[in-house]
Order: sequence, then C-alpha cells, then structure tokens
Amino acid sequence: AQSVTQLDSQVPVFEEAPVELRCNYSSSVSVYLFWYVQYPNQGLQLLLKYLSGSTLVKGINGFEAEFNKSQTSFHLRKPSVHISDTAEYFCAVGNTGNQFYFGTGTSLTVIP
Amino acid sequence: DTAVSQTPKYLVTQMGNDKSIKCEQNLGHDTMYWYKQDSKKFLKIMFSYNNKELIINETVPNRFSPKSPDKAHLNLHINSLELGDSAVYFCASSRGGNQPQHFGDGTRLSIL
Repeated sequence: AQSVTQLDSQVPVFEEAPVELRCNYSSSVSVYLFWYVQYPNQGLQLLLKYLSGSTLVKGINGFEAEFNKSQTSFHLRKPSVHISDTAEYFCAVGNTGNQFYFGTGTSLTVIP
Repeated sequence: DTAVSQTPKYLVTQMGNDKSIKCEQNLGHDTMYWYKQDSKKFLKIMFSYNNKELIINETVPNRFSPKSPDKAHLNLHINSLELGDSAVYFCASSRGGNQPQHFGDGTRLSIL
C-alpha cells in the first residue's frame, strides 16, 4: 500500500523569504512523485514531477523538489516566494498500477 | 483548446434530486478519474477508469455511478443528492499511474 503525508497543513511565510513544503511517502514498490498547485477557485496544475533520473527536479514558477529515497521524502522548495505563490500545494505518488494518492495539502500563505 | 473540460462549472440543486456531471478529455489519455474535494481541501479519489473499464472504486455511496461511453469521456451521475454531497468534484486524466494527471476546473456542487 502507498500513502503520502504532508506534515504541515498551513505554512505562512514572508514575501521574498525561502520556503520548504514537506512531503513523505510510504511505498513498497517504485514510485513516481508529483507536486501540484491549486490556486483559489481553480483546478490542480502540475508543478513538477519525478519519474526517474536526477533526484533534483525543477518545475515551473521557480519551484524545485528533491527525491530522497533513504528518507522517503520529496520536499518542495523555492528560494524566494511571491505573493502570487499563495495557494494550496499537494504532493502525490503514483505507480504503474494506475493508482494515485494525494496528500492532504499544505496551504501556503505569503505575507507582504 | 481545453484539455480536460467539465460541465457544468456550478451546480445548485435541492436535496433528493438526481444530477449528472460530464467530463471530456482531448489528450488521448487512457485513464480518467473522479475526485471529491471537501471544504478542507482534502482530495479523495472516487473512481478511476482505464479504457472504459472501472479499475478503482473507492468507498463511495452507491448513489454515485460513473459512466464511460468511450475513453475520452467519464461522466458522474448522482442519485438522491444529500447535503453531505456538497463539494467540488474534479475530473482528471492521465496516461497511467506513473504519469501526471491533468485536471479539469472542477464542478462546484451545492445542495440546498
């Protein structure tokens, strides 16, 4: 069985400060990892994905994430946030069996 | 061109009614999903279809019935609507569990 844990339900951060949103997963098989962003009253958009290869993945809007197999983590980072980054962020894990699991989400609020 | 489109965008109806939400994708994906997002932003998978066949059927009331006439469409029919059905319902599609999902903009269902 697979599961995804997002440890922080809410993260407030000042504008231009760095941010890290944490994600841990559990799985007994190879996993594929994703981060999605949901802006208010919109659907989910893919930020970045890890399928294989380099463990440091770069996505849109200046975000990046690092796959750490030993710690079963896939934390999302951005060195300097903007007001427009205020949104809900979801970590997700998939497998070749067409199963897909989302975390409970982290609400990022950027404070001016 | 919209990749995953859902209709209607808003649905306001009374308890006890029957309603349907339609979803279409033009990405050529084989797998489609329905999710329910509650007021706390928690995303719960309801159903998944692969090439018109049901592959994931999570614990949802049997008042919810998905229908896939072809692999580009996955509709959701809900009988005898209840207050607790109020939520945002998202349709998504992908090439499989090891690939990112593409989401529609959601259908906001409100039960009076």
